[in-house]
Amino acid sequence: QVELVQSGAEVKKPGSSVKVSCTASGGSFSSYAFSWVRQAPGQGLEYMGGIIPIFGSANYAQKFQGRVTITADNSTNTAYMELSSLRSGDTAVYYCARSGSTSSNYMDVWGEGATVTVSS
Amino acid sequence: AIQLTQSPSSLSASVGDRVTITCRASQGISVALAWYQQKPGKAPKLLIFDASSLDSGVPSRFSGSGSGTDFTLTISSLQPEDFATYYCQQFYSFPDTFGPGTKLEIK
Repeated sequence: QVELVQSGAEVKKPGSSVKVSCTASGGSFSSYAFSWVRQAPGQGLEYMGGIIPIFGSANYAQKFQGRVTITADNSTNTAYMELSSLRSGDTAVYYCARSGSTSSNYMDVWGEGATVTVSS
Repeated sequence: AIQLTQSPSSLSASVGDRVTITCRASQGISVALAWYQQKPGKAPKLLIFDASSLDSGVPSRFSGSGSGTDFTLTISSLQPEDFATYYCQQFYSFPDTFGPGTKLEIK
C-alpha cells in the first residue's frame, strides 16, 4: 500500500517562496497523478494542480497560475509544490494526494499535510 | 470551473440515524464524483469514487448514488466515528473542484 510522506511545517515571510515535498513509498509512482490540495484554517479543500510524473508536465488551477510550480522526481518518487509571492492568505495546510487510478483523479491516498504559515 | 454545492452545510444527528448528504454540480459530470470524510487535524479519507463505488476498507453503511448533476452520500446507520466533515469532489473536468463541505455533528 502506497504511503505519502510530506515535508514539515514552514513559517515564511510575505513575498517569499515555499517548497513542499511529498515522497511516495510502497507503490507505483510514475503512472499516477499527484495532486496538491490546500486547506486554509477552518475552510474547505482547494485544488491547486497536479502532475503525472511519467509525463512530467503539470497543470495548474487558474487561481494559482504563475505562482505555483509542481514537479516530480522519478528517481526519488517525490513530488514537489513550490508556491511563490506568499501572502497571509496562503497560510494553510498543504496536502499531496495520489489518484486512485491512471485514468481518474479521485484521490485515494493522502499525505499527512504540511502546515505553511505566512507571517511577518 | 465546475461549481459544486452541498446540502445541508451542517447536520445534527444521532447514533443509529440514517443520513443523506447531497452534492449538486453546475453542469453534468457523468459519474466523475468522489466523497471524502475529514476529521479535525487529519487528511481527507476517500469513501466513494465514481459516484457509487465504495473504496477498499470503507464500511458498507456508506453508499453513494447519482449521475449527471445530482449526487447523494448516504450513511445507513450512523456510528460515533462517523461524525466528521464530508466533501464531494468532481474530477470530470480540469480543474478538479470540491464542494464546500457538510459538517455532521452529534445531536
